Amino acid sequence: DARVTQTPRDKVTEMGQEVTMRCQPILGHNTVFWYRQTMMQGLELLAYFRNRAPLDDSGMPKDRFSAEMPDATLATLKIQPSEPRDSAVYFCASGLGQGGAEQFFGPGTRLTVL
Amino acid sequence: AQRVTQPEKLLSVFKGAPVELKCNYSYSGSPELFWYVQYSRQRLQLLLRHISRESIKGFTADLNKGETSFHLKKPFAQEEDSAMYYCALSAGLSGTYKYIFGTGTRLKVLA
Repeated sequence: DARVTQTPRDKVTEMGQEVTMRCQPILGHNTVFWYRQTMMQGLELLAYFRNRAPLDDSGMPKDRFSAEMPDATLATLKIQPSEPRDSAVYFCASGLGQGGAEQFFGPGTRLTVL
Repeated sequence: AQRVTQPEKLLSVFKGAPVELKCNYSYSGSPELFWYVQYSRQRLQLLLRHISRESIKGFTADLNKGETSFHLKKPFAQEEDSAMYYCALSAGLSGTYKYIFGTGTRLKVLA
């Protein structure tokens, strides 16, 4: 049963520290999405990739967030420096990149910035 | 602008009562709409999509283009339906697609 995996599951860090979150999409999926989930905003799209190329990262604060796909099996989301307002659950999802295609979500990384 | 609106953050109903989770969208193209569900301590998963016209776990959703709505309905709520529900719109641009999610509605089914 193929699943999207994310590491770490939980991360507590201090303000100013660098945070790297990793995602392994389902093999064969060509689209990867990063979302942030908060109580107030719900699910916000931060960035997404198709065939490893970044298509849209307009949802990310550019000065501190960066997203990459160094290869087809790994997507990363980095925050440097982290701030308390970045505390949220970050989800990765993968799919086949077609309009009606289902997105498969990872378990999320719960980030707490103190 | 593309937008999905879920006006209720929390909806509480008693077991056996009908449920309707509201979703309205704003999109100039031909919309593809979905409902995703997140049960406690589980990952988000697809519940249903409008193109399938299916009923999953007793839930149905009809796309109403005139009212730009895609409300999720179930005639008789069960306790296991308690979860977070997200409405999503698939928006295409130059052959690529991104998903726009609403802010979610937490459904609590009371015994």
